[in-house]
Amino acid sequence: DAKTTQPTSMDCAEGRAANLPCNHSTISGNEYVYWYRQIHSQGPQYIIHGLKNNETNEMASLIITEDRKSSTLILPHATLRDTAVYYCILEGLNRDDKIIFGKGTRLHILP
Amino acid sequence: GAVVSQHPSWVICKSGTSVKIECRSLDFQATTMFWYRQFPKQSLMLMATSNEGSKATYEQGVEKDKFLINHASLTLSTLTVTSAHPEDSSFYICSAPDATNEKLFFGSGTQLSVL
Repeated sequence: DAKTTQPTSMDCAEGRAANLPCNHSTISGNEYVYWYRQIHSQGPQYIIHGLKNNETNEMASLIITEDRKSSTLILPHATLRDTAVYYCILEGLNRDDKIIFGKGTRLHILP
Repeated sequence: GAVVSQHPSWVICKSGTSVKIECRSLDFQATTMFWYRQFPKQSLMLMATSNEGSKATYEQGVEKDKFLINHASLTLSTLTVTSAHPEDSSFYICSAPDATNEKLFFGSGTQLSVL
């Protein structure tokens, strides 16, 4: 079973920041927080990951709470192409470990 | 960046026939690949972990004799759906960790429709 909980769906206006929350209260010390997204009828796409520090890349920012029990993915200036299902996943250090997807958040960017 | 190529993108077949789906890591070697299945409006469900040079590890409830996985080289894993039936119609996706082992890269998926 997935170890994260996310809202089922969210709306965000185009051009605004999209903030997607994720709860992972049972996260263990060696687990990273990963975010992927899946645009309709495509394979998932890696977005960002972090352990305990906040992270930023060209796609998004990841804010992890100090107790690591929750995190927020931030898309700073959402566009219509950001409409997708966003998955928050916990992954251990061993990349051969299987990855279990939860139901994710369906993000709709509104024009 | 790392690329995982999956082929074919879609396939339509008659009930009772077998279908092979290929997953290739194009610019990196993948000792492990993962196969997922996704039904409409549902999340990805892990089917099996493909290991180069050894037998695949199947998730509970996935029939290994029906979903044959072969990982004969460091860049290619194949999933064969044997004796396909309409209930096998689904979106199949493969993935592999990149060379840095930090990220999973996914194929573009294969939409299988069994008539």
